[in-house]
Amino acid sequence: KQEVTQIPAALSVPEGENLVLNCSFTDSAIYNLQWFRQDPGKGLTSLLLIQSSQREQTSGRLNASLDKSSGRSTLYIAASQPGDSATYLCAVKQNSGYALNFGKGTSLLVTP
Amino acid sequence: SAVISQKPSRDICQRGTSLTIQCQVDSQVTMMFWYRQQPGQSLTLIATANQGSEATYESGFVIDKFPISRPNLTFSTLTVSNMSPEDSSIYLCSVGQGRQPQHFGDGTRLSIL
Repeated sequence: KQEVTQIPAALSVPEGENLVLNCSFTDSAIYNLQWFRQDPGKGLTSLLLIQSSQREQTSGRLNASLDKSSGRSTLYIAASQPGDSATYLCAVKQNSGYALNFGKGTSLLVTP
Repeated sequence: SAVISQKPSRDICQRGTSLTIQCQVDSQVTMMFWYRQQPGQSLTLIATANQGSEATYESGFVIDKFPISRPNLTFSTLTVSNMSPEDSSIYLCSVGQGRQPQHFGDGTRLSIL
């Protein structure tokens, strides 16, 4: 059974810092990996999707990497802003299924 | 990307009652997914709903407790039956298949008294 772990569980940084969120998974037979953002009281917003054959994806100040063989992904946020404060979720889709397996998320607070 | 609307956005219900959550998508999709997010926990898949067939439930979830309808390619409902305080969660509808990203609705925040 796929287990997805996110470290750290919570993170507080001052505005302007670059930061890295970590995601690990136990079964490397993944189809793709997706990073989401969840604001309080809201649903999930898709940030980046990395296919199993890809090493990284970039969108604006966000960069996600994937090392499938070691079961790891990182989400890099450059020049953090208070508006980046949210919970960030990592989810993997297996080769053998359709649904996503989620980590518990990293709660990020960016202070002015 | 698909736009997903969920109703209601939140509700407070009495123990023993049932609530039906609606999910509407702005485009036709083959598969729709229902997830639950309990307080402080990650998202867990309840079931997968395909149009024209019975929903497929994950381990720990049963049709009698969470009946699902999928009458067409843009709409699905999830009913939470005979509710207890343990059912207090966020329920989310999702679409996406193959190499495409999955997209989620804003969720339904359910509290059981």
